Amino acid sequence: AQKVTQAQTEISVVEKEDVTLDCVYETRDTTYYLFWYKQPPSGELVFLIRRNSFDEQNEISGRYSWNFQKSTSSFNFTITASQVVDSAVYFCALSENFGNEKLTFGTGTRLTIIP
Amino acid sequence: DTAVSQTPKYLVTQMGNDKSIKCEQNLGHDTMYWYKQDSKKFLKIMFSYNNKELIINETVPNRFSPKSPDKAHLNLHINSLELGDSAVYFCASSRLAGNYNEQFFGPGTRLTVL
Repeated sequence: AQKVTQAQTEISVVEKEDVTLDCVYETRDTTYYLFWYKQPPSGELVFLIRRNSFDEQNEISGRYSWNFQKSTSSFNFTITASQVVDSAVYFCALSENFGNEKLTFGTGTRLTIIP
Repeated sequence: DTAVSQTPKYLVTQMGNDKSIKCEQNLGHDTMYWYKQDSKKFLKIMFSYNNKELIINETVPNRFSPKSPDKAHLNLHINSLELGDSAVYFCASSRLAGNYNEQFFGPGTRLTVL
């Protein structure tokens, strides 16, 4: 069975600091997909990134970057120079390939950026 | 234009009532989902439909019945509402099942059962 663990329940940092959100996953499949979603205080779920299991390249998008390491089953998310608008709950999620497209979510990390 | 829409946004009702939540997507996607987010923010899949056919049913009580009149709509009907049904329900959609793409979520429906 697949499982996603986000051990950090809540994190608070001062604005402009860098922050890393941890995500560890478990799956028996060799092909799978990993995701990050953001849920701001308004409540909607915003897609941030998708990564497939064959692509271990790190990705950078503006102030956001993702570090995927299959050896440690981790898919960590770093926000550089954090801003107050980054305050949200962030979810890591996993989906196994073909025929089972459900997303298994971690429990989320509540990130608060202190001005 | 809203990609995935849900109505109503808020729903307050008494225990024992029957209620429905509607979901529509205008993205041309083939697959739609319902997720439940509880008070601790935990998100869990309930159902998935592909081209109007049920493909995932995650041991949800049979008081919950999804209905897909066409591939752009997936409604959720709940019978005999219980206090534990209070949650935020999210609808989502994605392109072809088996050729994975990201799921786009609706704004959520906050259900409160009194």
